Amino acid sequence: AQKITQTQPGMFVQEKEAVTLDCTYDTSDPSYGLFWYKQPSSGEMIFLIYQGSYDQQNATEGRYSLNFQKARKSANLVISASQLGDSAMYFCAMRGAGYGGATNKLIFGTGTLLAVQP
Amino acid sequence: DAGITQSPRHKVTETGTPVTLRCHQTENHRYMYWYRQDPGHGLRLIHYSYGVKDTDKGEVSDGYSVSRSKTEDFLLTLESATSSQTSVYFCAISEGGTGMNTEAFFGQGTRLTVV
Repeated sequence: AQKITQTQPGMFVQEKEAVTLDCTYDTSDPSYGLFWYKQPSSGEMIFLIYQGSYDQQNATEGRYSLNFQKARKSANLVISASQLGDSAMYFCAMRGAGYGGATNKLIFGTGTLLAVQP
Repeated sequence: DAGITQSPRHKVTETGTPVTLRCHQTENHRYMYWYRQDPGHGLRLIHYSYGVKDTDKGEVSDGYSVSRSKTEDFLLTLESATSSQTSVYFCAISEGGTGMNTEAFFGQGTRLTVV
């Protein structure tokens, strides 16, 4: 069975500093995708970054990077140069490969609430 | 913005009544998902669909049913609402596979209160 674990319910970071949000996963699928989403207090879900299980390099999108360690089954999100607007809930998610039914189940972790302090 | 609309956005209903939430997309995406979001639990998958009339259960499917008679619509029904189903419900859509541009797009959410 697939599972996503986020062990940090809440995190604090000073403005302009980097922060790492942890995510570990479990799956028996040989191919899968990992996603991070941001949910500000307004409630919408915002896609941040994607990593494929066969990607050789860690994904980066602006100030976001994904530290992908396949052997450890971890996919940590790194936010560089934190800004006040980064304060939000962050979710890690995973989906299996292929175009079949069960393999495309998209599951989420419990989230990490990040607070950026001035 | 991806074309995905949830209705209603807010609803208050009484215990024991049936409730149907609607998710409508204009993107022609194959996959559609229903989640509930509760404090401390993140987003939990209720049901999902991988095509017209093709659906499967998620991790918290008890008390919920779904239907997808058209590509663009995915309905979530609470057969007999209970207070434990008070939650924020999100619908999401996506293409299949695990390549780039396969992220899920979310609706704005429906806040359901069962009294």
